[in-house]
Amino acid sequence: GAVVSQHPSWVICKSGTSVKIECRSLDFQATTMFWYRQFPKQSLMLMATSNEGSKATYEQGVEKDKFLINHASLTLSTLTVTSAHPEDSSFYICSARGGLAGVDEQFFGPGTRLTVL
Amino acid sequence: LAKTTQPISMDSYEGQEVNITCSHNNIATNDYITWYQQFPSQGPRFIIQGYKTKVTNEVASLFIPADRKSSTLSLPRVSLSDTAVYYCLVRPAGANNLFFGTGTRLTVIP
Repeated sequence: GAVVSQHPSWVICKSGTSVKIECRSLDFQATTMFWYRQFPKQSLMLMATSNEGSKATYEQGVEKDKFLINHASLTLSTLTVTSAHPEDSSFYICSARGGLAGVDEQFFGPGTRLTVL
Repeated sequence: LAKTTQPISMDSYEGQEVNITCSHNNIATNDYITWYQQFPSQGPRFIIQGYKTKVTNEVASLFIPADRKSSTLSLPRVSLSDTAVYYCLVRPAGANNLFFGTGTRLTVIP
């Protein structure tokens, strides 16, 4: 099956700093990538959708200036949490779609656990 | 998007068959039903997808009645490693966005 990786798998940072999370599709070209956030014991919440080479589409309530998304190539999308605060501590998961004929599903990365002190 | 309702949690003993039912009363004609599995601190993993009747793969079976207002994920002979959260999603074919509901937390007991 298609493989999606994330880096780093976990990160701890100080309040006020920015953190970048990478999402890569390893064996297929992802025309669309998605970013989710998941708080403990809760479900995944879609944050934004990004298409290669265009601006991301953010879900209602997600601050685009705080969560910067770049999808510069068909295999890489990045999420930058700017000026992170403790309430941004969460599990961030990306997914990728596209490139596999006849496959209509998203492939999820392993997630990145962000802890803001 | 059709809203889904699942039991919050279920317990099962090892070796038993587990059936998790999902209600989606407002499912649209072009909606598909998809199930994902998520282990702690991991991303979700696709299990199975169907439109009507029955779909079976090497992992599970999906039963969908004629009115499609519900679906049942069947896991045969569960093991401890099947302990996870199972999400039922309903979405149009080719739709980009996935909206996850609360999911069902399955705990397999030795």
